[in-house]
Amino acid sequence: DQQVKQNSPSLSVQEGRISILNCDYTNSMFDYFLWYKKYPAEGPTFLISISSIKDKNEDGRFTVFLNKSAKHLSLHIVPSQPGDSAVYFCAASKGSARQLTFGSGTQLTVLP
Amino acid sequence: NAGVTQTPKFRILKIGQSMTLQCTQDMNHNYMYWYRQDPGMGLKLIYYSVGAGITDKGEVPNGYNVSRSTTEDFPLRLELAAPSQTSVYFCASSTGAREKLFFGSGTQLSVL
Repeated sequence: DQQVKQNSPSLSVQEGRISILNCDYTNSMFDYFLWYKKYPAEGPTFLISISSIKDKNEDGRFTVFLNKSAKHLSLHIVPSQPGDSAVYFCAASKGSARQLTFGSGTQLTVLP
Repeated sequence: NAGVTQTPKFRILKIGQSMTLQCTQDMNHNYMYWYRQDPGMGLKLIYYSVGAGITDKGEVPNGYNVSRSTTEDFPLRLELAAPSQTSVYFCASSTGAREKLFFGSGTQLSVL
């Protein structure tokens, strides 16, 4: 039973346009969400996070939106660059739990 | 800046063989983790440690063992390798329970 779902395995976007990556969760106890980016043959690297007390968090070109009522979060990348081509994972945790629950990832390809 | 170092990068095992995946971090992080990633799936937590001498099971601990004798090292032991353990293994560390994870570059393990 996947508690964190990324329903789009892949996404292609033109350079300079907006990339929107989506993530849905089923466990209402999740209160902290993170996005990680992964290049081939490398480990994931932290991108941005958001607590459930917020509905938006920005860091440069990256913005994460959280809709608690819909149990949905999204990552916006504006403008998209070819170097953003990678697999993006969303992850969630609850309370003081030390475990992160990861989604299956979305392969983003930014076309020059 | 070494960060989290995993060895080996690749390994092929025969069914029933044993091996240890090594993980070392130089960031003085108390928390360390082992994840596995199967094709098309998210990362799943195998074991984690909140400090030297303290380890705990994650979501998928069966078939694995860990130890944490020092802050820096967190080896993962496979005692009797099975084809179901074919996966990419990632070690990670963090400063705390809800802090971002720093990942190693992974170990690709095939059990044939």
